[in-house]
Amino acid sequence: DIQMTQSPSSLSASVGDRVTITCRASQGINNYLAWFQQKPGKAPKSLIYAASNLQSGVPSRFSGSGSGTDFSLTISSLQPEDFATYYCQQYSATPITFGQGTRLEIK
Amino acid sequence: QVQLVESGGGLVKPGGSLRLSCVASGFTFNDYYMTWIRQAPGKGLEWVSYISGSGSNIHYADSVKGRFTVSRDNAKKSLFLQMNSLRAEDTAVYYCARDRLTASTPDHWGQGTLVTVSS
Repeated sequence: DIQMTQSPSSLSASVGDRVTITCRASQGINNYLAWFQQKPGKAPKSLIYAASNLQSGVPSRFSGSGSGTDFSLTISSLQPEDFATYYCQQYSATPITFGQGTRLEIK
Repeated sequence: QVQLVESGGGLVKPGGSLRLSCVASGFTFNDYYMTWIRQAPGKGLEWVSYISGSGSNIHYADSVKGRFTVSRDNAKKSLFLQMNSLRAEDTAVYYCARDRLTASTPDHWGQGTLVTVSS
């Protein structure tokens, strides 16, 4: 199975900050990498697919990059509604696997 | 707009069975792979299974293989997850999701249905 490791596991930041979350795959996954946002008690929301493609309706302050084994999600200027947990997911091979999540909290 | 509505969750004893349903609307259901993803209380996301639009291509996580069966009824725009031999570790919110047309990753999610396995 392909293991996905996110860092950091948690992060405190302020409104307006630029933050980056990284995700590393245990083997190469080309660009078959997605990012999701989840708020407490809610279903996940799709943000990015194919490592860098923004899902329709997602604000442009979100961006993704990477290929192979190393990926990142960047939020250019944090807004109050961005405080949530973020997950990466590889879909290069089954079983499809997720990172453990990164909790983004208000400083 | 795309809507996915799950139902069928509830409390079941270990060893018991449950059938989850997901009714889709707002898109051509049979064109899309569909996926089940679960989340145990306070834990991360775990992929469970996916099924192709025709139902001919199916994959399961090892943790549910042989116990869970995914199926679909395209005429009724419905996705199902038959869960047998349930264990305490199957306790989770189960999400139905639509995969992208060109990638095996969700672009739309249902609201989830809670399955609790406890005596």
